[in-house]
Amino acid sequence: SAVISQKPSRDICQRGTSLTIQCQVDSQVTMMFWYRQQPGQSLTLIATANQGSEATYESGFVIDKFPISRPNLTFSTLTVSNMSPEDSSIYLCSVAYQETQYFGPGTRLLVL
Amino acid sequence: SQQGEEDPQALSIQEGENATMNCSYKTSINNLQWYRQNSGRGLVHLILIRSNEREKHSGRLRVTLDTSKKSSSLLITASRAADTASYFCATGATDSWGKLQFGAGTQVVVTP
Repeated sequence: SAVISQKPSRDICQRGTSLTIQCQVDSQVTMMFWYRQQPGQSLTLIATANQGSEATYESGFVIDKFPISRPNLTFSTLTVSNMSPEDSSIYLCSVAYQETQYFGPGTRLLVL
Repeated sequence: SQQGEEDPQALSIQEGENATMNCSYKTSINNLQWYRQNSGRGLVHLILIRSNEREKHSGRLRVTLDTSKKSSSLLITASRAADTASYFCATGATDSWGKLQFGAGTQVVVTP
């Protein structure tokens, strides 16, 4: 299996500011994914991050709002920019490893 | 949009009873995975069933898949209080490797 860590685990931020979430995997993986889980909801895919290329965003998500970096095969960051209370969610990174998809512990974000 | 739907949305049972939840999806899939989430934390991978499999077991878990009906079920036998969590199904479509579409989830409460 793949072990994934995320930082920070939680944060409280003021509207208009930005937060960068880090995701570290203990194995080299080609594809990493970022998901959002709004309060009481299921998970929605934000984007796919491949090393060496720009992230691919799902409908409803744009690079200006959620810039992603993928500098190597074990690390990725997601930035939530110009935050508003509607961005309050749990953000999770995941990797596909040997057919199974594993998730990090999530970053719980509250925007005031 | 969410790929699948799950029912029931919520399930309350007593320890020792079995819990069954169902998941339906819309498109052709490579596999279907079930996850558990405790109190808004990260997702724990429970079991993966491939599109050419009909049933799979793991400990107290039994998963079935009916691709003709585009549905799956998760059975937890002899439930324990520690099984209290939200359970999600997630499908991997044939045309989008690695991307998962999640169901709405079933919230299970097991009372001692």
